[in-house]
Amino acid sequence: QVQLQESGPGLVKPSETLSLTCSVSNDPISSSYWSWIRQPPGKGLEWIGYIYYSVSTNYNPSLKSRLTISIDTSKNQFSLKLNSVTAADTAVYYCARSPPGNYGMDVWGQGTTVTVSS
Amino acid sequence: DIQMTQSPSSLSPSVGDRVTITCRASQSISNFLNWYQQKLGKAPKLLIYAASSLQSGVPSRFSGSGSGTDFTLTISSLQPEDFATYYCQQNYNTPLTFGGGTKVQIK
Repeated sequence: QVQLQESGPGLVKPSETLSLTCSVSNDPISSSYWSWIRQPPGKGLEWIGYIYYSVSTNYNPSLKSRLTISIDTSKNQFSLKLNSVTAADTAVYYCARSPPGNYGMDVWGQGTTVTVSS
Repeated sequence: DIQMTQSPSSLSPSVGDRVTITCRASQSISNFLNWYQQKLGKAPKLLIYAASSLQSGVPSRFSGSGSGTDFTLTISSLQPEDFATYYCQQNYNTPLTFGGGTKVQIK
């Protein structure tokens, strides 16, 4: 059974960098698209971006200037770095898997809450 | 960006009711449309992919239809565990985008 687990600080100061990691179990990270999605308190879902193996990334233009998604195949993990954060980046952050093709995001992590505050 | 518009934003059916949720895309997305269920405090769960394909393990009372710009999620007979928020999402083009959600709450 494929499992995803997000990890990282729950509190980040304004103007600093938010860093999260998603650990993937029971699925080689080279096999699928790996996304980050976030959900501000009481609001809907926003796709942040994805990475496919080590060769392809695709970012939401609204975040692109501040965003880096990378992959560590040796650890079967992928990571998100969002710099210059503000209170508007406070959200639950999810990682998710999409198999190649028209299959949706079929496995999700449980989510991790990140609060941006001094 | 492709805008996804869901309606209604909320509804309050009774157990056993047939429930229909609509999602409209701002341009044609063929069948690149997925539906998710999210319960309070939990991650979204994939219900339907490619507009009408039932994800493995999802009860058959859930079904999806549509193509192009107009899509529908139907719950044939609402069960107590189905009270949740439902989101549509297009994967025709990046940025991937979600509808605003439809909250199905107890009457």
